[in-house]
Amino acid sequence: GQSLEQPSEVTAVEGAIVQINCTYQTSGFYGLSWYQQHDGGAPTFLSYNALDGLEETGRFSSFLSRSDSYGYLLLQELQMKDSASYFCAGRTNNAGNMLTFGGGTRLMVKP
Amino acid sequence: GAGVSQSPSNKVTEKGKDVELRCDPISGHTALYWYRQSLGQGLEFLIYFQGNSAPDKSGLPSDRFSAERTGGSVSTLTIQRTQQEDSAVYLCASSPGTAGYGYTFGSGTRLTVV
Repeated sequence: GQSLEQPSEVTAVEGAIVQINCTYQTSGFYGLSWYQQHDGGAPTFLSYNALDGLEETGRFSSFLSRSDSYGYLLLQELQMKDSASYFCAGRTNNAGNMLTFGGGTRLMVKP
Repeated sequence: GAGVSQSPSNKVTEKGKDVELRCDPISGHTALYWYRQSLGQGLEFLIYFQGNSAPDKSGLPSDRFSAERTGGSVSTLTIQRTQQEDSAVYLCASSPGTAGYGYTFGSGTRLTVV
């Protein structure tokens, strides 16, 4: 089975940097994804780490360490529109693409 | 289509009634998934279709839940004899089925059982 743990809530100020951590316990783990969901909206894909290391996409970066069963999402130059819930998700079967999601981290960006 | 389309967007039903939720995935996406999300919670996996393979039904919470995918495209999630605990947002997603690509989610169906 697989479970992913992340903090329930994080608060930061506009322009700052915030890191959202995700730890996982799984067998057959194959990669970590991150999704963003605004209130009332659909989750949208942000990034995917298949290998250890850092992936950068604009203001967002995602990191994975398999040896530590740990990853994080880093958001830089925070903007008010970044206020949303962020979910980490793990792939459990390399032959398929089914994801198990963490409980989500609600990010509140304050002026 | 350009995105994943779900209908209806909202559904209010009486306890004990059956409901059908529809998902129209992105054209050409071989993989289709159903999740549900209770208010303020994470996404709970329900069922997964990949091409012509038998679906992975391991997440269905009871035998009142079933889903089918016709012609490798449109999918219908059916909930029989609805209960109040079935109230949630039901999200459908599709993906090309290739490792590393993210899901594209629909906007969901908000189901309220009264």
